[in-house]
Amino acid sequence: DVKVTQSSRYLVKRTGEKVFLECVQDMDHENMFWYRQDPGLGLRLIYFSYDVKMKEKGDIPEGYSVSREKKERFSLILESASTNQTSMYLCASSPDFTGELFFGEGSRLTVL
Amino acid sequence: GQQVMQIPQYQHVQEGEDFTTYCNSSTTLSNIQWYKQRPGGHPVFLIQLVKSGEVKKQKRLTFQFGEAKKNSSLHITATQTTDVGTYFCAGGNAGNMLTFGGGTRLMVKP
Repeated sequence: DVKVTQSSRYLVKRTGEKVFLECVQDMDHENMFWYRQDPGLGLRLIYFSYDVKMKEKGDIPEGYSVSREKKERFSLILESASTNQTSMYLCASSPDFTGELFFGEGSRLTVL
Repeated sequence: GQQVMQIPQYQHVQEGEDFTTYCNSSTTLSNIQWYKQRPGGHPVFLIQLVKSGEVKKQKRLTFQFGEAKKNSSLHITATQTTDVGTYFCAGGNAGNMLTFGGGTRLMVKP
């Protein structure tokens, strides 16, 4: 069974803290994605990666960075968390650039 | 940039009633995907449509892709409580990432 695993389901951080969200997939997919989900706004793409050490900005990259040192792992980093980054973060992987996405369970981040 | 609008945002139905959600893109799409997210869960892929005018069925769910490949719909016949969740469309365009609609949250009263 295919699996995308996100390291934390719930996090509470303080403004200004550095936050790491980890995502691991076991499907040998080339493409990995980080989305942010907010009510009424759907899923908005933050960053994606189509290969190890490669990354591309999505629609809302400001305030975020990513790291992909290994094919199976894609990390989202908030260098200095702010309250407007309180949200649900979803990691996904896909074998094709615009093909079916396999999502992780999500990480709900609250920034106080 | 590409925009994908989805309506309605919310829908309450009585169990057994039909339900439809609509998706409209500002640009012509190469494909459209539909996902379902159960309450507290993550989005799960339902289907992908690629051909103009395409219609696909999955049991009580009917998916359509418009002739101009700029709109799509998901219709559920005789809703059940297990249909509860948020349904998202996501439009793909050659060379671009998928763009998600805002989702339609379906609530079913037993």
